[in-house]
Amino acid sequence: GNSVTQMEGPVTLSEEAFLTINCTYTATGYPSLFWYVQYPGEGLQLLLKATKADDKGSNKGFEATYRKETTSFHLEKGSVQVSDSAVYFCALRQNTGANSKLTFGKGITLSVRP
Amino acid sequence: GAGVSQSPSNKVTEKGKDVELRCDPISGHTALYWYRQSLGQGLEFLIYFQGNSAPDKSGLPSDRFSAERTGGSVSTLTIQRTQQEDSAVYLCASSLGGGRTYQETQYFGPGTRLLVL
Repeated sequence: GNSVTQMEGPVTLSEEAFLTINCTYTATGYPSLFWYVQYPGEGLQLLLKATKADDKGSNKGFEATYRKETTSFHLEKGSVQVSDSAVYFCALRQNTGANSKLTFGKGITLSVRP
Repeated sequence: GAGVSQSPSNKVTEKGKDVELRCDPISGHTALYWYRQSLGQGLEFLIYFQGNSAPDKSGLPSDRFSAERTGGSVSTLTIQRTQQEDSAVYLCASSLGGGRTYQETQYFGPGTRLLVL
C-alpha cells in the first residue's frame, strides 16, 4: 500500500536559517505529492504540490521537487521566519481510481526562534 | 467565501457514550472526506463521499464508526460506544468533485477535538 515517511521531529531553528524537511514515499504508479501546513490554532492548509516527476512546487519561499528516482519530496526554505513555526505534513495521492484520498506522513513540528 | 466548517470544535465525552461530529463542506463541493489526526497514528483517512456514489468506507477503524451525508452536502460522523483510543482531532475536507477528484485541492476544516474520558 501507499505510505509516506517523514524525518523525526521536532525541529528548532533560528530565524534566517536554512530548512530541509525530508520526505520519502512508497506508492504504486505515479502519485501526486503535497506538503500541507498546520499553523497554531488553524486548520490544515495546502502549502505546495507537484503532480509529476521533476516538477517543483513552490509557495511562500518554500520549495519541493518531485524526485521519482529517489521517491522523495523534500521541503526546503532558504531563510525561515518565526511565522513559519507550524506542523508540516508530507502527503501523496494516487492519480487514478475512484478514491482520491490523501495519505499523510506523521508530520513534523518546526519551531523558529527569533 | 465560507470555508469548510465543523462542529463542535471541542467535545468531551465519557467512555461508552455516542458522539456525532458535523461537517459543512464548501458550497458546491460534492466530494467530502473525513480524516483523523491522533498522536500515535498521525493523519489517517476514514471515509470518502462523492456525489451520489456509495461512500468509500475503507478507512473506518471499526464498526463503531459510521458516517452519512444528507442531501449531498452536510455530513455527520458518528462514533458509537466511544473508547479512549478514539480521542483525536477529526478533520473534514471537501473538493469540487468534478470528473477527476484526484486532481483537485482538498480544503480542510478546523477539526473537532474529541476527548474520551
